Amino acid sequence: DAGVTQSPTHLIKTRGQQVTLRCSPKSGHDTVSWYQQALGQGPQFIFQYYEEEERQRGNFPDRFSGHQFPNYSSELNVNALLLGDSALYLCASSSRLAGSTDTQYFGPGTRLTVL
Amino acid sequence: QKEVEQNSGPLSVPEGAIASLNCTYSDRGSQSFFWYRQYSGKSPELIMSIYSNGDKEDGRFTAQLNKASQYVSLLIRDSQPSDSATYLCAVTGGTSYGKLTFGQGTILTVHP
Repeated sequence: DAGVTQSPTHLIKTRGQQVTLRCSPKSGHDTVSWYQQALGQGPQFIFQYYEEEERQRGNFPDRFSGHQFPNYSSELNVNALLLGDSALYLCASSSRLAGSTDTQYFGPGTRLTVL
Repeated sequence: QKEVEQNSGPLSVPEGAIASLNCTYSDRGSQSFFWYRQYSGKSPELIMSIYSNGDKEDGRFTAQLNKASQYVSLLIRDSQPSDSATYLCAVTGGTSYGKLTFGQGTILTVHP
């Protein structure tokens, strides 16, 4: 049973560029959430996708956008990169099926460095 | 006031001792509480979840929840050097249903 997978593992970009990060949820999960974790901090919620729609959004600018595909996988896009966007980007999957809990399981993360 | 606060670290305990990690939260409507362990350079790994008042034990780990005091804790018995990591408290429900709100984490070091 495959867990949550993310790609790429590491990424280096320059200011002003755009980046796309990818996530495949755990088998049987239908909900994907994205988090940003700066060094020494707890993860911060970016947004959550369910049924191919953004259901909740944290306090992040519109430069951060996402998408969920019919197979439940998801992408996180960040435009006009800033130095402050350098962080570990985490994808978490969960299930909204009846009777399930809201337990979220994290992927290995993508380390983004903006130069 | 931060939404989720953890006791400031780092916390250092000798091998075999009990490590106690504490967390308070501000949203009284919070319903689900989680402890994640994060090794340096890795992603958070779920180690405990708790949903009702009282204690929940899983091996060497015990989570304690007191909703009236808005307090959740994690006890690690017989601490091992392999337990050295950052421990993250997270809550969801209430005004933050579906999203995890994390504390800043507590760094635990278990020395031989």
